Amino acid sequence: QVQLQQWGAGLLKPSETLSLTCGVYGDSFTEYYCWVRQPPGEGLEWIGEISHTGSTIYNPSLKSRVTISVDTSKNQFSLNLNSVTAADTAVYYCARGSGYKWNFGGQGTLVSVSS
Amino acid sequence: QSALTQPASVSGSPGQSITISCTGTSSDVGGYNYVSWYQQHPGKAPQLMIHDVSNRPSGVSNRFSGSKSGNTASLTISGLQAEDEADYYCSSYTNIRMYVFGSGTKVTVL
Repeated sequence: QVQLQQWGAGLLKPSETLSLTCGVYGDSFTEYYCWVRQPPGEGLEWIGEISHTGSTIYNPSLKSRVTISVDTSKNQFSLNLNSVTAADTAVYYCARGSGYKWNFGGQGTLVSVSS
Repeated sequence: QSALTQPASVSGSPGQSITISCTGTSSDVGGYNYVSWYQQHPGKAPQLMIHDVSNRPSGVSNRFSGSKSGNTASLTISGLQAEDEADYYCSSYTNIRMYVFGSGTKVTVL
C-alpha cells in the first residue's frame, strides 16, 4: 500500500518561501503527484501537479509563485511557494494521482504565516 | 477557475438517503466524466469515495453512489449512518488541465 509522508516548516513570516516535501513509500514512483491546500475552516484548493518525469501543471491563480519539483532518486516531490502572505495560511496536503483521481495519503501540514 | 457549487449543508436521519449536488460548467463537470467525491472528517485528510463520476474504490461502502447529468454531478448516500457525518467535496478535471474542487457540504446525521 502506498504511503505518503510530508514534512516542512510550519511557521513563516510574510514574504518568506514555503517549502514542503512529500515522501512516497511503497510505490514505484511512476505516477503523478499533487499538492492541495485548505485554509482553516475553508474548502480545498488544488495547487498543482507533477509527473514522475518532472512535467508540471499549476493552478493559474498561484502559478507565478509556485514551483513543484521531483527527486525520483529519493521518491520525493516538493512544493515551494514564494512571497507568502497570511492568505497562504492553510493545511497543505500531498496526494498521489491515478487516472483522474487523487489519493491523499499524507497527514497534512499546517503552515501559518504571521509576522 | 471558480469553485464548483455545492450546498453548504445537508442533513438526514439514520437509515435515510441524502443527495449532494455539485454544479459546474461545460468546462469542467459537463465536459468530462472525471468527477470525484471526497469525504473529510475533522482534522483528517480527504478520502476518495467516488471517482470517474460513479466508480467506487475498493473498500468504500456501496451505500455511496455517484451520477452526473449535464453540468451537475451528485453523490448519494443511502442508509445514512452516524459515521457518514463529515464534509464532502466534489472535484472535476477541467479544460485547462487543472482540477477544481467544490465549495464543500457538511453532512449532519440527525
